[in-house]
Amino acid sequence: KQEVTQIPAALSVPEGENLVLNCSFTDSAIYNLQWFRQDPGKGLTSLLLIQSSQREQTSGRLNASLDKSSGRSTLYIAASQPGDSATYLCAVAYNQGGKLIFGQGTELSVKP
Amino acid sequence: AAGVIQSPRHLIKEKRETATLKCYPIPRHDTVYWYQQGPGQDPQFLISFYEKMQSDKGSIPDRFSAQQFSDYHSELNMSSLELGDSALYFCATPSGEVGELFFGEGSRLTVL
Repeated sequence: KQEVTQIPAALSVPEGENLVLNCSFTDSAIYNLQWFRQDPGKGLTSLLLIQSSQREQTSGRLNASLDKSSGRSTLYIAASQPGDSATYLCAVAYNQGGKLIFGQGTELSVKP
Repeated sequence: AAGVIQSPRHLIKEKRETATLKCYPIPRHDTVYWYQQGPGQDPQFLISFYEKMQSDKGSIPDRFSAQQFSDYHSELNMSSLELGDSALYFCATPSGEVGELFFGEGSRLTVL
C-alpha cells in the first residue's frame, strides 16, 4: 500500500531557529512530491514541487530535498518566523496527472 | 493570476439532505481533482476528471457523484448526508509542465 508519513506530528520552536520537517513514503517509484502549507480551516498553498529526477528545490527560506531511493523528503525552513506557524503537508504523485497521496502533516508553531 | 474558485465556502445541512459543491478550475485547465479533509485528517482523494471524463476514483461514497461540464467547471453532489460527511472539500487543478497542483480555498460542509 502506498503510504506517506510525516514526522514529527507537531513541532514548537523559538523564532529564528532553523528546522527540518520529515516526510517518508513507502513506494519509492514516485512521479513527483509536493510540499504544502495549510493554515487552520484554510486551503492548501503549494510551497515546492520536486520531480522524481531532482534532488532539491529552493524557494526563499525554504529548501526541499528528495532522496527517492530511501523514500524520504525533507523541508528545511531557515530563520523561522511566527508567520511560518501552520500545518505542513507533503504529498506524492505516482504518475503524471495522478492523484496526490498526503501525509498527515506536521503542525508547526514558531514562538516569538 | 486566476486561481481555483470554489462555492459555496460554507454550507450547513441536516442529515439526509442533499448538497452540491462547485469548483471552477484555473481558466482553460481541463483537469479537476476533488479531495475531502475531515477534522484533523489529511486530504483524501475522492475523484478526478480530465476533459469532462472521469479519470480516477478514490474513496468516494456511492452517495456522492460528480461531473465536469463543457466549461470545465465541476460539481460534487452529495445525497443522504451523514454526520461523518462534515469536512472541508477541496478541488484542485494541475498547472504547468510538471503538474503542480493548485487548490481552492475549500467548501466547509457541516452536517447537523
